Amino acid sequence: AQSVTQLDSHVSVSEGTPVLLRCNYSSSYSPSLFWYVQHPNKGLQLLLKYTSAATLVKGINGFEAEFKKSETSFHLTKPSAHMSDAAEYFCVADTGGFKTIFGAGTRLFVKA
Amino acid sequence: DAGVIQSPRHEVTEMGQEVTLRCKPISGHDYLFWYRQTMMRGLELLIYFNNNVPIDDSGMPEDRFSAKMPNASFSTLKIQPSEPRDSAVYFCASSGPGQGNYGYTFGSGTRLTVV
Repeated sequence: AQSVTQLDSHVSVSEGTPVLLRCNYSSSYSPSLFWYVQHPNKGLQLLLKYTSAATLVKGINGFEAEFKKSETSFHLTKPSAHMSDAAEYFCVADTGGFKTIFGAGTRLFVKA
Repeated sequence: DAGVIQSPRHEVTEMGQEVTLRCKPISGHDYLFWYRQTMMRGLELLIYFNNNVPIDDSGMPEDRFSAKMPNASFSTLKIQPSEPRDSAVYFCASSGPGQGNYGYTFGSGTRLTVV
């Protein structure tokens, strides 16, 4: 069965340090993969998407993610965290036909 | 574009009452999704439409829930009668045009509290 696993429920970083949010997927074939961000009391916003083109995907607000098929991973990174990055992040897989699987989410805390 | 617009933002109702949530998708998007988010269960897909036609409603919890999309610019999710366990944030999202999933645009949600 297809699944998305976000390996950390919480991540805490200091402002100005790198961010790494980890995501592994399980699928019988390569899905489309997405990262969304949800700020408190807001809807989810699309950060970036991978749809079998370049394996390194750049998104908004300085985020990027790398698709590694051999590791079935799609980790989200940012070189330097900003206070405004504090939010919940969801890794999402679509195996076709809008069969969308959401990860459980990773809450990112950014310390001043 | 103003994005996906949901109303109301907050709804507090008494158990047994009818609740109607509304959504206006992005113009030109031909897919519309209703999700429910709770702490315990995360995000759950309730139903989605393509060109105003319901495609998959297998996530609708029970007969108390119904959804309609009378035209391309409006959808409703109705709960009748409402119960305390329906308390959650309900999101509408839209996507398209076309069959590929290029990512969803979510509304800001309706926070429903049933007392």
